[in-house]
Amino acid sequence: DTGVSQNPRHKITKRGQNVTFRCDPISEHNRLYWYRQTLGQGPEFLTYFQNEAQLEKSRLLSDRFSAERPKGSFSTLEIQRTEQGDSAMYLCASSIRQVNTGELFFGEGSRLTVL
Amino acid sequence: EDQVTQSPEALRLQEGESSSLNCSYTVSGLRGLFWYRQDPGKGPEFLFTLYSAGEEKEKERLKATLTKKESFLHITAPKPEDSATYLCAVHTGRRALTFGSGTRLQVQP
Repeated sequence: DTGVSQNPRHKITKRGQNVTFRCDPISEHNRLYWYRQTLGQGPEFLTYFQNEAQLEKSRLLSDRFSAERPKGSFSTLEIQRTEQGDSAMYLCASSIRQVNTGELFFGEGSRLTVL
Repeated sequence: EDQVTQSPEALRLQEGESSSLNCSYTVSGLRGLFWYRQDPGKGPEFLFTLYSAGEEKEKERLKATLTKKESFLHITAPKPEDSATYLCAVHTGRRALTFGSGTRLQVQP
């Protein structure tokens, strides 16, 4: 399968714990995005990487959130001191084209439940 | 702030019953409008890109159109496999897309 891969698919954690999600984009895609989606809502942008450089971050991305993309390949999204409001689906998308084409390839997401 | 509003929130159709989904937007300088399909438990799947008023795109039973204030996704003679959430998104110059909350479509046989 050559699509975007996300792990883990599901994570249940207790409030205050740290969690990390991993995204493996399509191999030739240099653009990588993280979005968050809650039930009944559309995806909300969190952050954007071009190769290994993090070029944009949303106001939604509090200082408890950190994302990396070492060597411009896979990416990780870490949430420290999780809160119940962090419960959501975390979606990763990659693209080889500029964002104005709209052609983002999304993974199946990592669902986080904070108890 | 860019706003994207989709209506209706949910739509139930009988197989073969054509209809349209609406996406209205209030943005500062539209550079592109996009439609995605999302199946339950999956990530969104890209369908169409529209850049300018009057533009139309078609794919199988779906046709997307764009005006200066809104876009429509027309579904002709839908089948049960068309059941999904349809998301509209806009690009206004930042490196991100702004999504609407989607229309949940259910097509009954």
